[in-house]
Amino acid sequence: GQNIDQPTEMTATEGAIVQINCTYQTSGFNGLFWYQQHAGEAPTFLSYNVLDGLEEKGRFSSFLSRSKGYSYLLLKELQMKDSASYLCAVMDSNYQLIWGAGTKLIIKP
Amino acid sequence: GAVVSQHPSRVICKSGTSVKIECRSLDFQATTMFWYRQFPKQSLMLMATSNEGSKATYEQGVEKDKFLINHASLTLSTLTVTSAHPEDSSFYICSAITGNEIQPQHFGDGTRLSIL
Repeated sequence: GQNIDQPTEMTATEGAIVQINCTYQTSGFNGLFWYQQHAGEAPTFLSYNVLDGLEEKGRFSSFLSRSKGYSYLLLKELQMKDSASYLCAVMDSNYQLIWGAGTKLIIKP
Repeated sequence: GAVVSQHPSRVICKSGTSVKIECRSLDFQATTMFWYRQFPKQSLMLMATSNEGSKATYEQGVEKDKFLINHASLTLSTLTVTSAHPEDSSFYICSAITGNEIQPQHFGDGTRLSIL
């Protein structure tokens, strides 16, 4: 079966750095997406990785290792507004998106 | 760009009522739209995929006669929850893409459906 694993919840301090991991087992691979979802709102796109390595976009970076079936989202200089759920989603060989359950990130002052 | 509008944002109605949710792409042609359902503290569950002018493809376990999807134009898809019951209460979200290239889905703001 297809599976996406990410931690259920994480806590970090304002101004710090946090890394949210995602491991996956899917039928084929056509890229991995990270989305941010605030409570009661729709997801917003953060990043897309299809090749190995690190993609940096401002305070957010996303890393991919296809051989390990592993990705992480790195958030720097955390702000209170970063409190949200972060969803990892993998596109399989049929171009279907397989969604992880999401990681709820709690930022404390 | 790539704005998706979803209405209504919140619906509260009695059991047995049918509810229609609209999803519109405002500045692009949505060749494919997706309908998701999300229960509290859970991830997105894909209900169906619809391509403009074609019948929707439903995921396993989703009743197509209960969740009617219409994608009659390149900018509008509707989801009708027929004879809704309390167990249908959930957060319904649509998303859209254009063309066949791999791309992020653009999401509407979601509809909170509460059936009394």
